[in-house]
Amino acid sequence: QKEVEQNSGPLSVPEGAIASLNCTYSDRGSQSFFWYRQYSGKSPELIMFIYSNGDKEDGRFTAQLNKASQYVSLLIRDSQPSDSATYLCAVNTYSGAGSYQLTFGKGTKLSVIP
Amino acid sequence: GAVVSQHPSWVICKSGTSVKIECRSLDFQATTMFWYRQFPKQSLMLMATSNEGSKATYEQGVEKDKFLINHASLTLSTLTVTSAHPEDSSFYICSARRRTSGVLSTDTQYFGPGTRLTVL
Repeated sequence: QKEVEQNSGPLSVPEGAIASLNCTYSDRGSQSFFWYRQYSGKSPELIMFIYSNGDKEDGRFTAQLNKASQYVSLLIRDSQPSDSATYLCAVNTYSGAGSYQLTFGKGTKLSVIP
Repeated sequence: GAVVSQHPSWVICKSGTSVKIECRSLDFQATTMFWYRQFPKQSLMLMATSNEGSKATYEQGVEKDKFLINHASLTLSTLTVTSAHPEDSSFYICSARRRTSGVLSTDTQYFGPGTRLTVL
């Protein structure tokens, strides 16, 4: 069973602080990793993807990948109340017959306190 | 880029009727489309995977005769909930996979805005 684990939270951070979201995955052969943001009652929205070990920065967001430790994280700098949402970690896993599908974690609920 | 639309955004129907939901990738051709369902405060649940021109692959426990999927083109997939009942009330979300490199394992999925179905 290929699994993606996230701390369900809620994770509360004050406005302006750094929010750190973590994710571990079980399939060592996974190649690509994604972070989605989902506001209550809305569909998931892609924030970032990362394929290579190390850091990838996009504005206030930084994704970090360590394949040896099977660990992915998302850092949100200068957190804003509008960042309050559930963050889904997703891993592209092989599902057989040449196909891949995303395996999602259960999500971490982030609350940014003004 | 990478916009996925869904129609309708919400629908209310009577028990026993059928409801069709459309999913379109507006600015790219989708290699594969996926249909998810999400109940309140629960995780996304994958229902089926759909490739253009072939039969959909359903996840275990999802009734293929109740949830009919047609993938007519590289930009359009439809989900029909047949003989809907109140327990089918949920948030249905489609997702389209876009080729981002020459490597299948790194393709990216983009989600539609979802369709909220209420069956009375």
